Amino acid sequence: DTGVSQDPRHKITKRGQNVTFRCDPISEHNRLYWYRQTLGQGPEFLTYFQNEAQLEKSRLLSDRFSAERPKGSFSTLEIQRTEQGDSAMYLCASSLGLARIGELFFGEGSRLTVL
Amino acid sequence: QKEVEQNSGPLSVPEGAIASLNCTYSDRGSQSFFWYRQYSGKSPELIMSIYSNGDKEDGRFTAQLNKASQYVSLLIRDSQPSDSATYLCAVNAGGTSYGKLTFGQGTILTVHP
Repeated sequence: DTGVSQDPRHKITKRGQNVTFRCDPISEHNRLYWYRQTLGQGPEFLTYFQNEAQLEKSRLLSDRFSAERPKGSFSTLEIQRTEQGDSAMYLCASSLGLARIGELFFGEGSRLTVL
Repeated sequence: QKEVEQNSGPLSVPEGAIASLNCTYSDRGSQSFFWYRQYSGKSPELIMSIYSNGDKEDGRFTAQLNKASQYVSLLIRDSQPSDSATYLCAVNAGGTSYGKLTFGQGTILTVHP
């Protein structure tokens, strides 16, 4: 399977702990996106990369959130000092970039539960 | 005002009917528009894209765009129970946010036999 893969699929943690999610995009895709989705809402933009460059980060995102894509391939999203309000599905998506703006392929997501 | 707004529904239509889903957006500089379908417990998947005013048809799906009214719609003809899902409108902004996709909250569609 050459789709977008995310790991872990589920994470339960206690408030105050740090968590890290990993995303492996489709190999030829140079754009990678992170979104967050809660029940009954659409995906909320967090950040996106063009190769290894982080092009935009949501103003709503606190400093506890950080994302990297060090070699322009896989990406990690870290949440420090988790809060109950961070409980959500974290979705990663990739695209071919300028040739296919908006045509995102999503992974299955990483569900975070903060107790 | 939300950047992308949809009626959250639920919208219920009988099998074989036309389902009409609507979306408005606030950024006049938006350049491209998309409809994603999300089945319960699954991730969104792209079903339609539209870039210029007018209609675009793909099988049973028709996307309509009116940039002057900042309005996008999706029509599903001959609706099937398998079309039951949440439909997400997504807009690609222009300018410095080109490439960033903003989603609406989604419309839940139920097609009943």
